[in-house]
Amino acid sequence: SQTIHQWPATLVQPVGSPLSLECTVEGTSNPNLYWYRQAAGRGLQLLFYSVGIGQISSEVPQNLSASRPQDRQFILSSKKLLLSDSGFYLCAWVLIDEQYFGPGTRLTVT
Amino acid sequence: QKEVEQNSGPLSVPEGAIASLNCTYSDRGSQSFFWYRQYSGKSPELIMSIYSNGDKEDGRFTAQLNKASQYVSLLIRDSQPSDSATYLCAVSRSTLGRLYFGRGTQLTVWP
Repeated sequence: SQTIHQWPATLVQPVGSPLSLECTVEGTSNPNLYWYRQAAGRGLQLLFYSVGIGQISSEVPQNLSASRPQDRQFILSSKKLLLSDSGFYLCAWVLIDEQYFGPGTRLTVT
Repeated sequence: QKEVEQNSGPLSVPEGAIASLNCTYSDRGSQSFFWYRQYSGKSPELIMSIYSNGDKEDGRFTAQLNKASQYVSLLIRDSQPSDSATYLCAVSRSTLGRLYFGRGTQLTVWP
């Protein structure tokens, strides 16, 4: 069966520090993958999506970047975190026409 | 700008009642429609998908779609306290396409 993993589950980082969040998918090949952020009391914001290795589309040109080094791996990064980067980061993938979310990473920037 | 609008709530219903959640969307080209349930502190969970006009039932959940009115709803029959969550509406133009989410409706079912 298909599963999606994210780590870490929680993270507390100081302003200006780097960030790396990882998402991996099992049980499928060449999935469409997505990174979302959900800030406190706000809706889901699509950050990046990828249709294949090395193919990244950005929805939000901020201090975040994404990479897809392997078919089933999607990484979200930042060189210098801002306070406004705090939130719940969700990776998602598509099975046929339905999008499923990973467990998420809760990031607090202090 | 593709808008998906939901009443933010909170919507409060007694246990055993029918909860009705509504969603409107602006993009007439939308073809796929989804409802997600999100418990506090957890990631969204897909509970219903609907693609054609009419009703789709799954257990206590019924999704209703009216493309002419650009309206999709979710009915929860025999509501239970465990249904208390935020419900997110999402729409997409095509299969494997990106989803556009509403901001969610918070539902509370009280015993």
